[in-house]
Amino acid sequence: AAGVIQSPRHLIKEKRETATLKCYPIPRHDTVYWYQQGPGQDPQFLISFYEKMQSDKGSIPDRFSAQQFSDYHSELNMSSLELGDSALYFCASSLTRGTGELFFGEGSRLTVL
Amino acid sequence: SQQGEEDPQALSIQEGENATMNCSYKTSINNLQWYRQNSGRGLVHLILIRSNEREKHSGRLRVTLDTSKKSSSLLITASRAADTASYFCATGSHNTDKLIFGTGTRLQVFP
Repeated sequence: AAGVIQSPRHLIKEKRETATLKCYPIPRHDTVYWYQQGPGQDPQFLISFYEKMQSDKGSIPDRFSAQQFSDYHSELNMSSLELGDSALYFCASSLTRGTGELFFGEGSRLTVL
Repeated sequence: SQQGEEDPQALSIQEGENATMNCSYKTSINNLQWYRQNSGRGLVHLILIRSNEREKHSGRLRVTLDTSKKSSSLLITASRAADTASYFCATGSHNTDKLIFGTGTRLQVFP
């Protein structure tokens, strides 16, 4: 069965650089979520999209932005990277809106040097 | 954590033993979910319990929910070495899409 696809799986950037993460949700899933997980931490909600519109926002820094495109894939753009941005970034999708089961991708590991 | 605490933070047991993990949360919820995460991998959904349910079973998993105490427990019976992972509870609330995760329990099952 198709799963959530994230790319790249690993990314190394310097401070103040920009990074873009991509997410391809499971077909027919209408809601996409982005989470950030620091080392040894729980996943922190960043932002979500329902039918290509932002539906909820969490602790996402102003330096980050995200969008969902007409083909339902989503991108998380991170600018002016800081050391503290080093983390695993997960994308998840759900079949129905409203906190049903989330299907997570394998994550993109960002390292900022 | 944005939502609450899980305890214990770490748990080590032998294969065949039962593992119990607890989760507390702070806000009103409409469901509570448990997820499993192998080191550095994505989270995998295990079970969902709605706020009007008190107990739910799925294979070797048993989840309870006490909304008056804002707490839940996950019991894994007859544990296996392959159950070694981190386990997170996550809560969903009305009028929001996001799940809020707890701090997680690292479970180690020794053969």
